[in-house]
Amino acid sequence: EIVMTQSPATLSVSPGERAMFSCRASQNVGSNLAWYQQKPGQTPSLLIYGTSTRAAGIPARFSGSGSGTEFTLTIASLQSEDFAVYYCLQYNNLWTFGQGTKVEIK
Amino acid sequence: QVQLVESGGGVVQPGRSLRLSCAASGFTFSTYAMHWVRQAPGKGLEWVAVISYDGRYKYYAESVKGRLTISRDNSRDTLYLQMNGLRPEDTAVYYCARVGVDTAMVGWLDPWGQGTLVTGSS
Repeated sequence: EIVMTQSPATLSVSPGERAMFSCRASQNVGSNLAWYQQKPGQTPSLLIYGTSTRAAGIPARFSGSGSGTEFTLTIASLQSEDFAVYYCLQYNNLWTFGQGTKVEIK
Repeated sequence: QVQLVESGGGVVQPGRSLRLSCAASGFTFSTYAMHWVRQAPGKGLEWVAVISYDGRYKYYAESVKGRLTISRDNSRDTLYLQMNGLRPEDTAVYYCARVGVDTAMVGWLDPWGQGTLVTGSS
C-alpha cells in the first residue's frame, strides 16, 4: 500500500501571501497525483490532476508540481475563499489520500 | 450537468448490514469507473473501493475487504455499496465519485456526490 504524507498538518497564512505545502509518496507514483480542496461541510473539490493540470474553472493562482515521490501545491496569493483543507491523492497504484493540510488565517 | 446523489445512510447497530446507493445522471454512467470514498467525523478522506465501468473489476481498501462490496447496475445508472458486519469505525460520510476519464480504471476522482452519513451505534 502506498502511504501519502502531507506536510505541514496546519499552515497559517495571511491573505495575499503565498502558501506552499507538500505531499510525499512512499513509492514512485509517477505523475498520477491530484489535489483536492475541502471547505467545512462541503464535498471535496478537484483542483489539480496529473500533478500539474488545473481542473476546469480553477484559478491560475493554484499550481502543482513534482514527480515520483515529492509533490507540491502552491497558492500564489491566498484569497479568503482559499482557507480550507487540502488533500493529495495518488492514483498510480490503487488510490490513497494524504491526511490533509489545513490552511488557516494567520 | 453531471450529478451524483447518494442515499441509504442512517444509524445502524454494529454487526448489522446496510446498502448505500448512488444515482448518477448527466453523463454516460456505463462508460465510467466509479468509487466510494469515506470520511469519518472530523477526519480525513479514505478511499474505500472502485468498480470498473463494466463491473468486471473491483478493488478494495484493506480495511474493508470481505465486509464491503461494491457493485453497479448500468441499466439503472446506479452504484451500490453493500456494507455487512458494520463496525463503529465504519461511521463516516460515504461519498461516491466518478473517475475522471471514461473507460479508464486509473484516474483521479471527479466529480463527487454530496455524501450520505452512516453511523454505527448501539
